[in-house]
Amino acid sequence: DGGITQSPKYLFRKEGQNVTLSCEQNLNHDAMYWYRQDPGQGLRLIYYSQIVNDFQKGDIAEGYSVSREKKESFPLTVTSAQKNPTAFYLCASSQHETTNYGYTFGSGTRLTVV
Amino acid sequence: SQKIEQNSEALNIQEGKTATLTCNYTNYSPAYLQWYRQDPGRGPVFLLLIRENEKEKRKERLKVTFDTTLKQSLFHITASQPADSATYLCALDAGLGYQKVTFGIGTKLQVIP
Repeated sequence: DGGITQSPKYLFRKEGQNVTLSCEQNLNHDAMYWYRQDPGQGLRLIYYSQIVNDFQKGDIAEGYSVSREKKESFPLTVTSAQKNPTAFYLCASSQHETTNYGYTFGSGTRLTVV
Repeated sequence: SQKIEQNSEALNIQEGKTATLTCNYTNYSPAYLQWYRQDPGRGPVFLLLIRENEKEKRKERLKVTFDTTLKQSLFHITASQPADSATYLCALDAGLGYQKVTFGIGTKLQVIP
């Protein structure tokens, strides 16, 4: 079945540590996105990519980095510069630029600082 | 600034009744409006999309309306079932590119048997 796979489901980060969240899709979608979800807030866009080897900052990119070396993969690194990283992270993809067919989301990664 | 308002409190409804969820927006001119379902600990699942020139869209027991004058969308689930219990998100798309989709915080629906 086609879809988006995020791993791990749960991740614990120590202070000052970088961690990488994995996102893989087999939908042949061009665009991929990373969102952060916090209680009482809507999804906030971290980074997005329209094409391989190209990506753009979203609304809250500080403290995060991404790469898009393959169409299928869009990993997110949460760096030590992100001061409040505890959140639910969602990866998504879409087929068309205007997202008029909606996004396909992964099952999410819950990151906790310990 | 752009703002999306969804009733953040839970909506409780008796099984078999019609659930109606509201999405209001300000300072925005969306070309499309989308509705998603999200279960606890899971990613949102796309349900329906309605365009600015459409008044209503239906899919099985779901119906969405879009009033650009009132700046409001209503999401209806008819003959609601306990399995419909989830959080429902609306999302506005200005149609200007990948980064212009804005999500609301969602409304939690509880269907009581």
